[in-house]
Amino acid sequence: AQKVTQAQTEISVVEKEDVTLDCVYETRDTTYYLFWYKQPPSGELVFLIRRNSFDEQNEISGRYSWNFQKSTSSFNFTITASQVVDSAVYFCALSEGTDSWGKLQFGAGTQVVVTP
Amino acid sequence: EAGVTQFPSHSVIEKGQTVTLRCDPISGHDNLYWYRRVMGKEIKFLLHFVKESKQDESGMPNNRFLAERTGGTYSTLKVQPAELEDSGVYFCASSLTVNTEAFFGQGTRLTVV
Repeated sequence: AQKVTQAQTEISVVEKEDVTLDCVYETRDTTYYLFWYKQPPSGELVFLIRRNSFDEQNEISGRYSWNFQKSTSSFNFTITASQVVDSAVYFCALSEGTDSWGKLQFGAGTQVVVTP
Repeated sequence: EAGVTQFPSHSVIEKGQTVTLRCDPISGHDNLYWYRRVMGKEIKFLLHFVKESKQDESGMPNNRFLAERTGGTYSTLKVQPAELEDSGVYFCASSLTVNTEAFFGQGTRLTVV
């Protein structure tokens, strides 16, 4: 069964618009970790953020912000004032229980296209 | 500092042939992971090395896949014999410890024709 769902396949925005990427996860573990990775056209997956299941505090890093809500099993990602360099595929991922943070279950990814 | 490096970047082989993918992790990273993304599917975990030992190989699809990490440095993933459904992008990642973030390489795009 799919444990991480990213329902949006592709989102297209014009530069300076905000874009929110949805991520819904499923787990029975009380301890787990959630991640967002960015895959630019060059291909590598770039780590953006990690949250643990006990910390629901939202986080902001520059133009990036994350909204973690355990009640809805969601970990959404917002890019504010998008730029062309934000064009990439974004993956949400889950690491369960005592699993290594490198053993990840990925969502299908959301392609973000930012046009000038 | 060099990141995770994968060779080759792209490989095209015929069904039934053998292909070996290589991953050089970040220096000092004991943990090395292999993933793959076949067409239209999610990125899936294959296995996890701690130094030269296989910690978790629960994601390996079948016995046509063999991963090694002799000496605990670089790793190879051999597919023998390759089948059409093996086509996809194979990613390698490394981390310093099991509770630190994994850094990914650019992937090897494997095409089996």
